[in-house]
Amino acid sequence: GAVVSQHPSWVICKSGTSVKIECRSLDFQATTMFWYRQFPKQSLMLMATSNEGSKATYEQGVEKDKFLINHASLTLSTLTVTSAHPEDSSFYICSARDHNKGSEQYFGPGTRLTVT
Amino acid sequence: QKEVEQDPGPLSVPEGAIVSLNCTYSNSAFQYFMWYRQYSRKGPELLMYTYSSGNKEDGRFTAQVDKSSKYISLFIRDSQPSDSATYLCAMSAGTSYDKVIFGPGTSLSVIP
Repeated sequence: GAVVSQHPSWVICKSGTSVKIECRSLDFQATTMFWYRQFPKQSLMLMATSNEGSKATYEQGVEKDKFLINHASLTLSTLTVTSAHPEDSSFYICSARDHNKGSEQYFGPGTRLTVT
Repeated sequence: QKEVEQDPGPLSVPEGAIVSLNCTYSNSAFQYFMWYRQYSRKGPELLMYTYSSGNKEDGRFTAQVDKSSKYISLFIRDSQPSDSATYLCAMSAGTSYDKVIFGPGTSLSVIP
């Protein structure tokens, strides 16, 4: 149980285009989903927290107009990187939590984004 | 002072050794403590989840929490090359929508 999937697993896009990453909880209802980015050999950096049906809460320094997050259902959240630039190239990981089950977060496999 | 501190390593041990990984924290409100394992280019995988102080064992893994010292540990017995990964500690105050704070991770290599 507690499986989280992400799609795509990797994507290459050109500078200036937008990319959408999907995060799905497959066997539980994710009342809260989190989006992280991770640079090589560094830890997870929380970008934003989203609760189903409400606007995402962004961490300080994360541009909400650049990283659009939608959490329209209890099993799906999307992150859209708008007008991507090479410095947005990173490993993006989502996680999901069912608040009825405490603080455990279950992570997706990650999406590697490369902007050329 | 960071909320959660963890020695980044790298830590290199021979196969079969007992590994000790540790984190310290500053927020006394933390009650839920987790250990994640992350292989290169993969998402973190939840290994252990404990509440408050005490020990929890699962196979070769033992998690210890000492809230009085604000110190948590993960022990790996009979370490295997497949245990080579980055280990992240994480903790939360535990209310439904509390943020989980992650340590920076310790890189572990188990040498055959």
